[in-house]
Amino acid sequence: DGGITQSPKYLFRKEGQNVTLSCEQNLNHDAMYWYRQDPGQGLRLIYYSQIVNDFQKGDIAEGYSVSREKKESFPLTVTSAQKNPTAFYLCASSIVFASTDTQYFGPGTRLTVL
Amino acid sequence: AQTVTQSQPEMSVQEAETVTLSCTYDTSESDYYLFWYKQPPSRQMILVIRQEAYKQQNATENRFSVNFQKAAKSFSLKISDSQLGDAAMYFCAYEQGAQKLVFGQGTRLTINP
Repeated sequence: DGGITQSPKYLFRKEGQNVTLSCEQNLNHDAMYWYRQDPGQGLRLIYYSQIVNDFQKGDIAEGYSVSREKKESFPLTVTSAQKNPTAFYLCASSIVFASTDTQYFGPGTRLTVL
Repeated sequence: AQTVTQSQPEMSVQEAETVTLSCTYDTSESDYYLFWYKQPPSRQMILVIRQEAYKQQNATENRFSVNFQKAAKSFSLKISDSQLGDAAMYFCAYEQGAQKLVFGQGTRLTINP
């Protein structure tokens, strides 16, 4: 079964802690993305990567970090520098090719700061 | 910066009727992609339909179709024969290059039985 998996589904963090959200895809997609969704809002781009060992900041990268050591994996770390991390986080992937560049999404991780 | 605006925070429709969701966007580019995504209560984003700006023909996917007006920068979604399973948040999105998506605020669609 091809798809995008995110874990955990729910995550709780104490203030001052770093946490890492997992995103794995077996679609052989080149590009991967992280979005944040706040209640009643659309998605905002945090980071994206179009190739292994390379990634770019999105619109709201402050307080977040990523790595792309493998094509299949794009973990997101929410650091203690992120002042308001409670949100729903969605990972997506796509083929890097002009005519078939649709992004497909994982099921998401709900992060709550206690 | 490109922006996407969905002016209808909520819409409702009777089951089996037709409903149209509005979306406008701002860009100076001539070649781009537009999308409608559906987010049901499970919160997973599901692609509904996709439109390439260079194509004049409006995209259709079964009961879903778009009205793409490039000059007016308008991209509305029409859902025909609405079903209870269509109830969800619907997001319009613009691809601004490097495959980065810019999303609107969303429209919550309720289907009345």
